[in-house]
Amino acid sequence: QKEVEQNSGPLSVPEGAIASLNCTYSDRVSQSFFWYRQYSGKSPELIMSIYSNGDKEDGRFTAQLNKASQYVSLLIRDSQPSDSATYLCAVETGTASKLTFGTGTRLQVTL
Amino acid sequence: DADVTQTPRNRITKTGKRIMLECSQTKGHDRMYWYRQDPGLGLRLIYYSFDVKDINKGEISDGYSVSRQAQAKFSLSLESAIPNQTALYFCATSDRDRFQETQYFGPGTRLLVL
Repeated sequence: QKEVEQNSGPLSVPEGAIASLNCTYSDRVSQSFFWYRQYSGKSPELIMSIYSNGDKEDGRFTAQLNKASQYVSLLIRDSQPSDSATYLCAVETGTASKLTFGTGTRLQVTL
Repeated sequence: DADVTQTPRNRITKTGKRIMLECSQTKGHDRMYWYRQDPGLGLRLIYYSFDVKDINKGEISDGYSVSRQAQAKFSLSLESAIPNQTALYFCATSDRDRFQETQYFGPGTRLLVL
């Protein structure tokens, strides 16, 4: 079983719609969770981080964490073509502050 | 100037050659990391360093070595390159606040081993 799982997609949403990206993780003691955006051939860029159960909002982005169910999600409101990218979920695991990454979900925002 | 830089950005080498990828940062972070990224496999940790004297293997360290020359510099070496080391390599640094540790990535080095 993979430690961090994401649907590879592509997830296709029309411009202006809400995109919902999901991630599940296996390590129950994980404390911190991150969403990175990666354009093709570029480096991962931090979008959101969350460590408490519930929602955290930053502009058009909302991260949602449910530790009991071991999932974290990212909502993108008013999706724009520029949001088309691969979104990586990362989970801080173990005692050495290492991140374990999912393989990413590719998002396509269509006109 | 970028906070995390990697050189070279692209490299083509031949099987059996030794090569070095370099990473420098101006963020003042103590912790640095090397990852490789392959299609369908995501980012995998090769080595990480919490300070100049603390270097640790990641999940896929075989065939690689590292050197932490200073707080700001962390180099990755492929002792004898092989074709399955063809990948995109990223250096990252991290900063810890009261609640969590956040990693920031360099621009990447695209390596092709023939």
